[in-house]
Amino acid sequence: QITLRESGPTSVQPTQTLTLTCSFSGFSLTRSGVGVGWIRQTPGKALEWLALIYWDDDKRYRPSLKTRLAITKDTSKNEVVLTMTNMDPVDTATYYCAHSFVGEILFDVWGQGTLVTVSS
Amino acid sequence: QSVLTQPPSASGTPGQRVTVSCSGGRSNIGSNAVNWYRQLPGTAPKLLIYSINRRPSGVPDRFSGSKSGTSASLAISGLQSEDEADYYCAAWDDSLNGVIFGGGTKVTVL
Repeated sequence: QITLRESGPTSVQPTQTLTLTCSFSGFSLTRSGVGVGWIRQTPGKALEWLALIYWDDDKRYRPSLKTRLAITKDTSKNEVVLTMTNMDPVDTATYYCAHSFVGEILFDVWGQGTLVTVSS
Repeated sequence: QSVLTQPPSASGTPGQRVTVSCSGGRSNIGSNAVNWYRQLPGTAPKLLIYSINRRPSGVPDRFSGSKSGTSASLAISGLQSEDEADYYCAAWDDSLNGVIFGGGTKVTVL
């Protein structure tokens, strides 16, 4: 059974860097085709894909946020970390990580999500 | 930024068939598989349909998907009260080199 869980701060101040960790079980990020992605959902409910990392360390980023994002994996710990720099109040959202597989399934299992509020 | 277009709302009475549309372009729906997600209040999205019309284990066959050109549709037959939720389409976009989502459709059971 695949499970994912997001962890990190519930609030950050503007201009700070956000670091979120996705801890997962039930799959290996060394298996060919496997990936983990980050998606956020604003209070207005829009879903926005942020980043993806694959088993071979291929990384993809949302172009409009590429300069602010970094995604890394630690296969020994079964963790994927997302950092986002220069946080702004518009970045207030629920952040999800999700299991992905190259091909026709984008994100099949999602974590419960973590709400991050950006405010001074 | 590429985006998929969905109607903000759809509704039906119990037992009816409801469809949700998702309009895109050649670089996303026109070239790649479409996934559909359902989100109940306070929960994470759940995969409903992938590869146009395949259902993960546990998803009832009341849910079906279709695609024509650069548009896709989700159909819910035999509408039930528990189908009241937000529904999102998603696809890989070759221009973005990433995933795009639709704006979501709130389905209401009257």
